[in-house]
Amino acid sequence: AAGVIQSPRHLIKEKRETATLKCYPIPRHDTVYWYQQGPGQDPQFLISFYEKMQSDKGSIPDRFSAQQFSDYHSELNMSSLELGDSALYFCASSHGSGNTIYFGEGSWLTVV
Amino acid sequence: RKEVEQDPGPFNVPEGATVAFNCTYSNSASQSFFWYRQDCRKEPKLLMSVYSSGNEDGRFTAQLNRASQYISLLIRDSKLSDSATYLCVVDGGNTPLVFGKGTRLSVIA
Repeated sequence: AAGVIQSPRHLIKEKRETATLKCYPIPRHDTVYWYQQGPGQDPQFLISFYEKMQSDKGSIPDRFSAQQFSDYHSELNMSSLELGDSALYFCASSHGSGNTIYFGEGSWLTVV
Repeated sequence: RKEVEQDPGPFNVPEGATVAFNCTYSNSASQSFFWYRQDCRKEPKLLMSVYSSGNEDGRFTAQLNRASQYISLLIRDSKLSDSATYLCVVDGGNTPLVFGKGTRLSVIA
């Protein structure tokens, strides 16, 4: 079965640069979530979208923005990158909220 | 107080042992409860949902106590392949899922 697809899988950027992560949810899933997981940390919720509208906002820095497009894929844009932004970024999707969410394999971002 | 709390472990158990993990949550409005498994540097994967009546899937049993806001996971006959971090996950009422910090399990031959 199709899973959540994330790209790129690995990304290296320098401080103050910009990065964009993409997420393609499971077909027919209408809700997308972004999580950030630092080394040795639990996944932290950043932001979510339901039917292309932002549905909830967590600990997403102001330097980050995201959107969900008409085909339900989502992009996380990160600007003015800092060393502390180095983490594994997961996208997840579900059909509606409160239901089981399924994670993509994650995008490793390293800021140097 | 963190919304979802777990004993971080590590739990080091021999093969064949029975091990139990506990988790408490603070939001009484939570309706959905899950255990996810995460291997090192991999994405969390759903292990099982947790229902009020308790549920079992093979060697894994999950229980929910709403009155005490407590969730448990029991693993019987531990296998080496069960070694992973187990994340207690709770919906935040009207907000997306909240993860515990995870409990690290190492099953030793």
